[in-house]
Amino acid sequence: DIQMTQSPSSLSASVGDRVTITCRASQSIFNYLNWYQQKPGKGPKLLIYGATSLQSGVPSRFSGSGSGTDFTLTISSLQPEDFATYCCQQSYGTPYTFGQGTKLEIK
Amino acid sequence: QVQLQESGPGLVKPSGTLSLTCAVSGGSISSSHWWTWVRQPPGKGLEWIGEIYHSGSTNYNPSLKSRVTISVDKSEKQFSLKLSSVTAADTAVYYCARAGVDRPNVGLFDYWGQGTLVTVSS
Repeated sequence: DIQMTQSPSSLSASVGDRVTITCRASQSIFNYLNWYQQKPGKGPKLLIYGATSLQSGVPSRFSGSGSGTDFTLTISSLQPEDFATYCCQQSYGTPYTFGQGTKLEIK
Repeated sequence: QVQLQESGPGLVKPSGTLSLTCAVSGGSISSSHWWTWVRQPPGKGLEWIGEIYHSGSTNYNPSLKSRVTISVDKSEKQFSLKLSSVTAADTAVYYCARAGVDRPNVGLFDYWGQGTLVTVSS
C-alpha cells in the first residue's frame, strides 16, 4: 500500500494567516493527490484534485502544489470557516489511502 | 445535487456482521461512478473499504477483503456494506461516497454522506 504522511498533525493559526500543510507519499503518485476538508459531524469535502486543480465552488484562497511524492496545501488568508481538519489522499491506485489529517485550530 | 445518506444499526456485537446502506438521491446510481465505502476509527485517519459499480463489479481493500461484501440495488437506488466477524477495531464512522470511473477521476471522492457511527460492543 502507498503510505501518505502529513505534517504537521496540528497547527494553530489566526484569521488572515497564510498556512501550509504538507503531504508525502511513500512512492511516486505523479499528480494523483487530492485534498479534503473535514468538519465535525459532516463528510469530507473535496477541495483540490489532481494536486493543483480547485474543485468547483471552493474559494481561491485554497491552492495545491507538488508532484511525485511531495505535495502542499496552502490557504492564503485564513477565514473563520477554514478551521477544520485537512487530509490528503492518493488516487494513483487501490487501495486508495489517506493521510492522518492536520487539525487547524484557532490561535 | 447528488446526496448520499447512510443508515443502519449503530451498535453491533463482537463476532457479528455490520450492515449499512447508502441511499443515493439527486442523481442516478446507474451513472458512470464507483460507489464507495470509507471508514474512520475514532481519532484516526480515513480508510478506504471498497467500491462497487452499478454492473456489480467490485474492488476491495485487501486488508478487509475476506470480511467485506458490497452490493448494489439499482431499483432502490442504494448500495450496501456488510462486514463480518467484527471486533472493537471495526468501531468507526462509516461514510459512503462517489468516485469517478475514468482518469483522472478514478478514486476521487466528490460527494460524501455525513457518516454514521458504528460501535462494536457487547
